[in-house]
Amino acid sequence: QSVLTQPPSVSAAPGQKVTISCSGSSSNIADNYVSWYQQLPGTAPKLLIFDNNKRPSGIPDRFSGSKSGTSATLGITGLQTGDEADYYCGTWDNSLSGVVFGGGTKLSVL
Amino acid sequence: EVQLVESGGGLVKPGGSLRLSCVASGFTFSHYTINWVRQAPGKGLEWVSSITGASTYKYYADSVKGRFTISRDNAKNSLYLQMNSLRADDTAVYYCARDQGWGSGDYWGQGTLVTVSS
Repeated sequence: QSVLTQPPSVSAAPGQKVTISCSGSSSNIADNYVSWYQQLPGTAPKLLIFDNNKRPSGIPDRFSGSKSGTSATLGITGLQTGDEADYYCGTWDNSLSGVVFGGGTKLSVL
Repeated sequence: EVQLVESGGGLVKPGGSLRLSCVASGFTFSHYTINWVRQAPGKGLEWVSSITGASTYKYYADSVKGRFTISRDNAKNSLYLQMNSLRADDTAVYYCARDQGWGSGDYWGQGTLVTVSS
């Protein structure tokens, strides 16, 4: 049971837009910055979004992040087959004094 | 180029010990908190432990507290995870990740597999 809650899977057609939600609480998302990661099969996670909505160098602007209260959202536009991956949200939890992750969302581009 | 390279994984019996290492390059190692994150086969990411740049603060997940010890040697640009009293549910790929703030890992190693089995 993950501290942050994500939908297990989402799907959309190539070229379409998809959003992935991440629900937390006052001790984590509400009070701290949220990050999003992409994990392609057999590879290490890759940082997509940090500080709720900032993209590291090299991450295309098709990827966006937002936060409101105890929830955060990852948006991906112009879906490509190469975007098929697992996506995780993460943040610091003040009560646990540790990093917490969502359970992950598998994106299928049909 | 920032790089993190883990090593030390392998097969160990329940109750045994293992020491993981993570060697960093391409950045000022002592300036960053570093995290250990693991992923059991077919499962999601689980944070294990974090250590601040000067080793002032160390944090552990409840699942490993009292069994795992995180440490670092800034002179060697190296991070360690001493794992004792290993259990089957510790089986996972263990990643080290540079923390750029708020637990956000901006660079990750390739991971090292730890298998706990008799």
